[in-house]
Amino acid sequence: KAGVTQTPRYLIKTRGQQVTLSCSPISGHRSVSWYQQTPGQGLQFLFEYFSETQRNKGNFPGRFSGRQFSNSRSEMNVSTLELGDSALYLCASTTGTGHSPLHFGNGTRLTVT
Amino acid sequence: SQQGEEDPQALSIQEGENATMNCSYKTSINNLQWYRQNSGRGLVHLILIRSNEREKHSGRLRVTLDTSKKSSSLLITASRAADTASYFCATPGDDYKLSFGAGTTVTVRA
Repeated sequence: KAGVTQTPRYLIKTRGQQVTLSCSPISGHRSVSWYQQTPGQGLQFLFEYFSETQRNKGNFPGRFSGRQFSNSRSEMNVSTLELGDSALYLCASTTGTGHSPLHFGNGTRLTVT
Repeated sequence: SQQGEEDPQALSIQEGENATMNCSYKTSINNLQWYRQNSGRGLVHLILIRSNEREKHSGRLRVTLDTSKKSSSLLITASRAADTASYFCATPGDDYKLSFGAGTTVTVRA
């Protein structure tokens, strides 16, 4: 099976712009979670989607949003970018039932200048 | 907020030595998971231990869980250069949310 695919791998944006990141989960996985990883805050949970429904959301401002499509692919969007949004954004998929392990993509490295 | 906290923050060992890292968590759990992250890459799931298990092995990895102390340990035996990575413990918190600790960075010297 192909792993979790995240695109793009690297992204450089300017403050005030918006960005959309994409995640394709492992085939058959219906749950997609997003995490932000920074040196200072570590891994912070953003949100989780299952069958196109957001089931949980972390403590991030409304500038961070996401969605999931019927084929389980997911996107997250960050509007009005701030310097502090520079981070590695990781997507992970799982079957969505019980507490099965997460399968991570290699992330999108976002740099905001 | 982070549920698990790893200790130590960093560890440097010689190839062939064992590496031990610990994780403490705050609330009751039904399982605890360990992940590895190589520099700039995604996390890779290593092992899951359920709350009714005390010890679990996977290759050169040994994980223990003490629910009374709310702690877990990960032992890597006979370390190799390829084990150089950051290691995270993770616990399921609120529904469908996995909370990660700050991680232990392990450097294996040749």
